[in-house]
Amino acid sequence: DAGVIQSPRHEVTEMGQEVTLRCKPISGHDYLFWYRQTMMRGLELLIYFNNNVPIDDSGMPEDRFSAKMPNASFSTLKIQPSEPRDSAVYFCASSIGGAHTEAFFGQGTRLTVV
Amino acid sequence: SQQGEEDPQALSIQEGENATMNCSYKTSINNLQWYRQNSGRGLVHLILIRSNEREKHSGRLRVTLDTSKKSSSLLITASRAADTASYFCATDQYNSGNTPLVFGKGTRLSVIA
Repeated sequence: DAGVIQSPRHEVTEMGQEVTLRCKPISGHDYLFWYRQTMMRGLELLIYFNNNVPIDDSGMPEDRFSAKMPNASFSTLKIQPSEPRDSAVYFCASSIGGAHTEAFFGQGTRLTVV
Repeated sequence: SQQGEEDPQALSIQEGENATMNCSYKTSINNLQWYRQNSGRGLVHLILIRSNEREKHSGRLRVTLDTSKKSSSLLITASRAADTASYFCATDQYNSGNTPLVFGKGTRLSVIA
């Protein structure tokens, strides 16, 4: 298995533009997590899914953020409109059984909003 | 919100020395995990220790868990330059269903050759 695959690896966009980040979890994993990493706040959980169903989105900072998981092999995180303070590295991770087991992380998407 | 807090925030040692990083957490847990992150990369799982375990080894890694003090330590023995990375502890929450992992802010380890 190729592991968790995220795209794009880098994204530079102008303030106000829509940004879509993509994630393909490891086949067979039933949990998918979106995290955001910044120097100031560390690694923050944004939202997580179990069997494609959003379980907790309380970490999503604002209504500008939305996430979907239309099927077991694909998830998106969308920011619309984007703002400079959204600049961060966004990670997708997947696991079997949630927090009781090892989580596998993608390489991340470095987002820069100018 | 952060559950785990690593200490120190940064650590610099010579190659061959041992590196010890600590993690404290706030609520009861089922397990605690340690991850490594190389610069510009995703996190990689190192080791998982369950709440009924006190010590676990994996190669040059030794993890201890003291649930009475709500703390854990990660020891890397005979460090190498390749161990230079950030190290994070992550916890779940006891009896809260299948909650996600919550990470600390990490310890940045620099191993000087």
